[in-house]
Amino acid sequence: AQSVTQLGSHVSVSEGALVLLRCNYSSSVPPYLFWYVQYPNQGLQLLLKYTSAATLVKGINGFEAEFKKSETSFHLTKPSAHMSDAAEYFCAVNNNAGNMLTFGGGTRLMVKP
Amino acid sequence: DTGVSQNPRHKITKRGQNVTFRCDPISEHNRLYWYRQTLGQGPEFLTYFQNEAQLEKSRLLSDRFSAERPKGSFSTLEIQRTEQGDSAMYLCASSPGGIGTDTQYFGPGTRLTVL
Repeated sequence: AQSVTQLGSHVSVSEGALVLLRCNYSSSVPPYLFWYVQYPNQGLQLLLKYTSAATLVKGINGFEAEFKKSETSFHLTKPSAHMSDAAEYFCAVNNNAGNMLTFGGGTRLMVKP
Repeated sequence: DTGVSQNPRHKITKRGQNVTFRCDPISEHNRLYWYRQTLGQGPEFLTYFQNEAQLEKSRLLSDRFSAERPKGSFSTLEIQRTEQGDSAMYLCASSPGGIGTDTQYFGPGTRLTVL
């Protein structure tokens, strides 16, 4: 069975500050990990994914995430927050067969001017 | 590539009524998924199709729920005798197919409100 835990349901940062959204996973097999972003009343948009090719993954909009097997973590970061980054962010793990995603509870990012 | 589309975007119904949602996946995507998202939560897997075959169903998919994907193209999700607890956003996703790194692309969702 797989699970994802996102620490902090709400994170608030100032514009220009570092963004750090935490994700820890549990998986009995090598995981495939994803970060999605969801804007109000919209579907999910893929930010980035870990495919085991490289532990540091770069995504869209300046986001990146680092896979750390020893810590079972896949935290999402961005060096400088922008107002347009305010949204809900979801970490997800794919099961071994690739046919379902298990999502964390989400982290709402708020960006203060 | 026009993306995954879902209709309707919003549906308000009275308890006990039946509702049907439609999902059109990205063309040539073999896999299609349905998820349910309640307020403040992450999406939860409901069911999955490989072409026209429904290969997996979650325990969340009660007997009142049925999903189809005739001819392996669009899919419909029907909820019979709706209950207030069915109020949620219903998300559809599609993917090309493959193992592990297969990426799911999501539609905008259908928001269901049961009064």
